[in-house]
Amino acid sequence: EDQVTQSPEALRLQEGESSSLNCSYTVSGLRGLFWYRQDPGKGPEFLFTLYSAGEEKEKERLKATLTKKESFLHITAPKPEDSATYLCAVQVMDSSYKLIFGSGTRLLVRP
Amino acid sequence: NAGVTQTPKFRVLKTGQSMTLLCAQDMNHEYMYWYRQDPGMGLRLIHYSVGEGTTAKGEVPDGYNVSRLKKQNFLLGLESAAPSQTSVYFCASIGSSGRAGEQYFGPGTRLTVT
Repeated sequence: EDQVTQSPEALRLQEGESSSLNCSYTVSGLRGLFWYRQDPGKGPEFLFTLYSAGEEKEKERLKATLTKKESFLHITAPKPEDSATYLCAVQVMDSSYKLIFGSGTRLLVRP
Repeated sequence: NAGVTQTPKFRVLKTGQSMTLLCAQDMNHEYMYWYRQDPGMGLRLIHYSVGEGTTAKGEVPDGYNVSRLKKQNFLLGLESAAPSQTSVYFCASIGSSGRAGEQYFGPGTRLTVT
């Protein structure tokens, strides 16, 4: 069964304190792995897509990496505005392009 | 472009009532999806459509029906609402592409069934 697990469930950081979020996955065939940001009361907002092991993508203070079994979202010197829920999702090798989501990591960055 | 829009934004239903949630996209996307999001459970796929006139079941389809009569619209129906259907519902769409492409999400509909 295709499955996505995110850890930790919640993370509290001080402003400037770097850390990483984990997304581990078990799928029959990976088409792509996605990271989304979700603010309270809003829909998920696309951040990155990773297609193959070893690939890395960066955007401002965020960097996403991918191995054959997991992905990491590294947050460098976070700011309070980085506070949000970060969702990981995988897209499997079928014709539906549907996503399988993890339960998310709630990040709180304190000033 | 408005992107993906959802109607209504909030709704309260009584058990047994019916309603339809509307999702509209103006990006000419082929694929559309309905998810529900519950606390601590991430997003779960209810139904999806790979093109006008087509629908398919997702992970949690029971109690819901869908229709895709027009390419730009995807409707989610609850025929007889139950308290277990209290949730936040998100619609998403994606254009046809040879590789994985990002899904664009709507702002959500918060539904409470009492």
